[in-house]
Amino acid sequence: ELKVEQNPLFLSMQEGKNYTIYCNYSTTSDRLYWYRQDPGKSLESLFVLLSNGAVKQEGRLMASLDTKARLSTLHITAAVHDLSATYFCAVEMVGGAQKLVFGQGTRLTINP
Amino acid sequence: GAGVSQSPSNKVTEKGKDVELRCDPISGHTALYWYRQSLGQGLEFLIYFQGNSAPDKSGLPSDRFSAERTGGSVSTLTIQRTQQEDSAVYLCASRSGYEQYFGPGTRLTVT
Repeated sequence: ELKVEQNPLFLSMQEGKNYTIYCNYSTTSDRLYWYRQDPGKSLESLFVLLSNGAVKQEGRLMASLDTKARLSTLHITAAVHDLSATYFCAVEMVGGAQKLVFGQGTRLTINP
Repeated sequence: GAGVSQSPSNKVTEKGKDVELRCDPISGHTALYWYRQSLGQGLEFLIYFQGNSAPDKSGLPSDRFSAERTGGSVSTLTIQRTQQEDSAVYLCASRSGYEQYFGPGTRLTVT
């Protein structure tokens, strides 16, 4: 059974600082997704990582995937208040349905 | 363009009643998913439709849950004899290529 674990689950940081959210998963998969969720809103796609060594960047966020270690990271550079949200990683199950197994989410709060 | 839409946005129902939740996927997307987001269980897969193939129902938590997709487009998730543990946000997603695009969700509260 595929399990996905994120850490930390809660993160409070100051503007301008850097930090990393980790996403570990238990069985083989080559596809990993990062989503952002604002309170009361749906999931917004941030990154799709499709192969080992994939790295994608958008603004102050950068995501990477190491399929051998079964680990993805979401790195935040020089955080700003607007990045406050809950971040989910999701791993695609191998097989026909391409269904996603989600991590618990990391609630990120960035303080001025 | 139009995204995935869901209705109603909020639904309050009494325990034991049946409810229907609707999802309109993005036009042309043949794959459609239902997920549930609750405090206790996080985000979990419920059911998957792909074209005319038999749906993957492996995530449905009990036989009180069912879903159908008519004409390869609109989908309805039905929960019979609702229980308090069914309270959650029900999210629908449709897929193009690798990406799943999520709708705004239906918040279901069972009293």
